Amino acid sequence: EAEVAQSPRYKITEKSQAVAFWCDPISGHATLYWYRQILGQGPELLVQFQDESVVDDSQLPKDRFSAERLKGVDSTLKIQPAELGDSAMYLCASSSDRVPNTGELFFGEGSRLTVL
Amino acid sequence: AQTVTQSQPEMSVQEAETVTLSCTYDTSESDYYLFWYKQPPSRQMILVIRQEAYKQQNATENRFSVNFQKAAKSFSLKISDSQLGDAAMYFCAYRSAQSDYKLSFGAGTTVTVRA
Repeated sequence: EAEVAQSPRYKITEKSQAVAFWCDPISGHATLYWYRQILGQGPELLVQFQDESVVDDSQLPKDRFSAERLKGVDSTLKIQPAELGDSAMYLCASSSDRVPNTGELFFGEGSRLTVL
Repeated sequence: AQTVTQSQPEMSVQEAETVTLSCTYDTSESDYYLFWYKQPPSRQMILVIRQEAYKQQNATENRFSVNFQKAAKSFSLKISDSQLGDAAMYFCAYRSAQSDYKLSFGAGTTVTVRA
């Protein structure tokens, strides 16, 4: 069964360091999402891609976060410099645009970031 | 912006019993989708059940069913015959029927199943 792949699963870093997360969506899924989930809370959208274009990055802290999906397939989310408040689970999800569209998002296992 | 509220941080249920999770949402739209997602510990989030707002019939998926009250903007999830594998965090989510496919999530409800 096709899955969304994410790496690394766990990342521990010191504040002010750079960190990057990678996501490979399900093959053929044009839409890719990065969500941030703070422990005990619901996921919050950071950025949404349609193919290689950013559809919504209104909640992305652009002074330190960046995201790209250069070829419209896999994607990288970067944080530089990391801050203590960035400790969270970073979830990648993808969805298909094929009709009929069920609206379902398929999630990866997430990348858990701890900033010391 | 749409907001999704889950007022029950934690729920506990005896194995084989039934538990109901509540969810309310705020929207000015008439056409949208609602979802319940399950997030087991250290595993990925998976879809449990979905509901189209234009459908009056409540969705069911095996032991999972919803009570969709459009006028009240309420969307509860009932888990019948609870099993140990149902223990997880459950998220209610909203998605507009417009081309923007992003999901807005509630804060989640942690379900514990007692053997």
